[in-house]
Formats: sequence, C-alpha cells, structure tokens
Amino acid sequence: DSGVTQTPKHLITATGQRVTLRCSPRSGDLSVYWYQQSLDQGLQFLIQYYNGEERAKGNILERFSAQQFPDLHSELNLSSLELGDSALYFCASSNPTSGANTGELFFGEGSRLTVL
Amino acid sequence: TQLLEQSPQFLSIQEGENLTVYCNSSSVFSSLQWYRQEPGEGPVLLVTVVTGGEVKKLKRLTFQFGDARKDSSLHITAAQPGDTGLYLCAGVGSNSGYALNFGKGTSLLVTP
Repeated sequence: DSGVTQTPKHLITATGQRVTLRCSPRSGDLSVYWYQQSLDQGLQFLIQYYNGEERAKGNILERFSAQQFPDLHSELNLSSLELGDSALYFCASSNPTSGANTGELFFGEGSRLTVL
Repeated sequence: TQLLEQSPQFLSIQEGENLTVYCNSSSVFSSLQWYRQEPGEGPVLLVTVVTGGEVKKLKRLTFQFGDARKDSSLHITAAQPGDTGLYLCAGVGSNSGYALNFGKGTSLLVTP
C-alpha cells in the first residue's frame, strides 16, 4: 500500500460526458502528479501541483483540468470525453524539498476510465 | 521533450535465465529512476541512480547509470516468476518542471 488513494477504481461512461477523478496523497506529501497510461503512449505526465499551486504541465489536453485543494487532495476533471481518452489515470505524490522532484514518487492504484 | 527509449519492448524468458533491459536517451539526466509495475497496480520505485557510472544492486537486480548520464541498464540474474512485470525508467524532464518523464517500459514475463 503506497498510501495514495484514488477513486473511483473503474469508470465507464459515454463520449461527450464529463468525469472527475479524485486523489488523496500520502500523509504529509505536498506534491501531486497526474499521469495517463495507455498501451500505445505509455505513462504520460499530465500535470503537477505543489501545495495547492500548479507547478508543471505536461501533455494535458485543454478538455482536462485539475486542481489541488487546501487539504492537499486533488481532482482531475475530464470533459467532452472521446474514445481515445480511455486509459488508466494515475495519481502520484511526493514530498520533495522546495518542490523539486529529486525523490521517489508514490503511485496510487489508478482509475481505469472506459469511454464507450 | 526528453525521450527515454526502452528496449526490448517485450521479453519472455524461463525461470533461471539472465536478462538485461536498456533505457536510452539523447539527453543528460541528473538522475534516473527505475520502477516496476505489476498488473492492476501503480509503479513502485526500485532504485535511483545519480552518478555517472554508478552501479547499484538490489538482490538479483543490478542497475547501472551510463558514464555520460544518458542511459541506464537493468540486469536480472536468475529471473524468477515474481520478477514478471513492466519495468519503467524515468528521469526528471527539464521541459516539465520537476515531473518525471517515463519510458514506455519493458514488459517482462518469466515462466516457471
């Protein structure tokens, strides 16, 4: 158990819909990262938050957004869903000093999104 | 984007065999990490290598960081079925703040 909790574990929805994925980081971790994993693209970095502030952006689509709340949990919002958005979405957390990632990422078990 | 290329993509071997998987990039990394991911789970860190030429051992796993800090290898001696999984290398990308960029991984299957 990594200490990172993601909900829901599985989600099936239709094209055009909107979903929200939730992540609770390890106790004390200030950084939250979102990754998308698909068979063809591998594990792709989407976005990072550090103590409530956006820190880095990766290959995140404009239809996707995220935020980190004062209690440090994070949500990833996916809208106008397309078939190609079907993937595993991972949240990871860390507690790097001054926001620099020099250490280990702790991953949740992921949320499997299926868009029909 | 600082790409990390991993090879081979797939590897199926029998218990007791040795194997090496590779992680290569044209970019220099301050450090590289290796993770293992099992089905239905998130990746779990195995090791971090920092110094060029560094060799780290974790039981039957040996990790090496290239002298130029652009590549790394993972060697498994006498593979066991419990070694089955997806092996991912990752490095901090200068284009993505401090977030880790991952290679696509090597999927290893060890059969009894």
